[in-house]
Amino acid sequence: NAGVTQTPKFQVLKTGQSMTLQCAQDMNHNSMYWYRQDPGMGLRLIYYSASEGTTDKGEVPNGYNVSRLNKREFSLRLESAAPSQTSVYFCASSDLNPGLGSPLHFGNGTRLTVT
Amino acid sequence: GNSVTQMEGPVTLSEEAFLTINCTYTATGYPSLFWYVQYPGEGLQLLLKATKADDKGSNKGFEATYRKETTSFHLEKGSVQVSDSAVYFCALSGSEKLVFGKGMKLTVNP
Repeated sequence: NAGVTQTPKFQVLKTGQSMTLQCAQDMNHNSMYWYRQDPGMGLRLIYYSASEGTTDKGEVPNGYNVSRLNKREFSLRLESAAPSQTSVYFCASSDLNPGLGSPLHFGNGTRLTVT
Repeated sequence: GNSVTQMEGPVTLSEEAFLTINCTYTATGYPSLFWYVQYPGEGLQLLLKATKADDKGSNKGFEATYRKETTSFHLEKGSVQVSDSAVYFCALSGSEKLVFGKGMKLTVNP
């Protein structure tokens, strides 16, 4: 099973460039998430999608947009990259509400550097 | 809002040492609690979980008990191995979102 697949694995952008991070899951999960991981900050939620057709802001949504293309795919777009967006980005999915104990399944991350 | 506070480290232990990683939380209601582990170069993976007070989660020799009276979910292992070297995250959820602690890097030396 592939689980959660993220592309690309690495990316270098110049300030002001745009890009889309792709995420797909093959577990038929309802919910999908985008987190960023920074040293000393843990994981912070950018956006999430509780079900197909819905998206909501997380803790740090500024500078990002998302699209839940279908049940499998959830993309994260940076319209005008800034050095502060240098980070490791993780996509995750879950079958049910994590509040009910349903765990998140994570991809292996995209390491983004903005110069 | 919901929040998690955990030991941040880094911590270095010798093989077969006892491990405790403290985690306390603030939440309304009755959240579910989780420990995740991240090995180098990988995403996070679930280590164990507990969904109600006094539940004990366990996996791979690790244990944690959901203590509502002390709002804690401390992770313990009696004898760590080199292969346990990783970053450990405590997390909670009272809804459709998961909130993480800052993570603690553990290095185990032979």
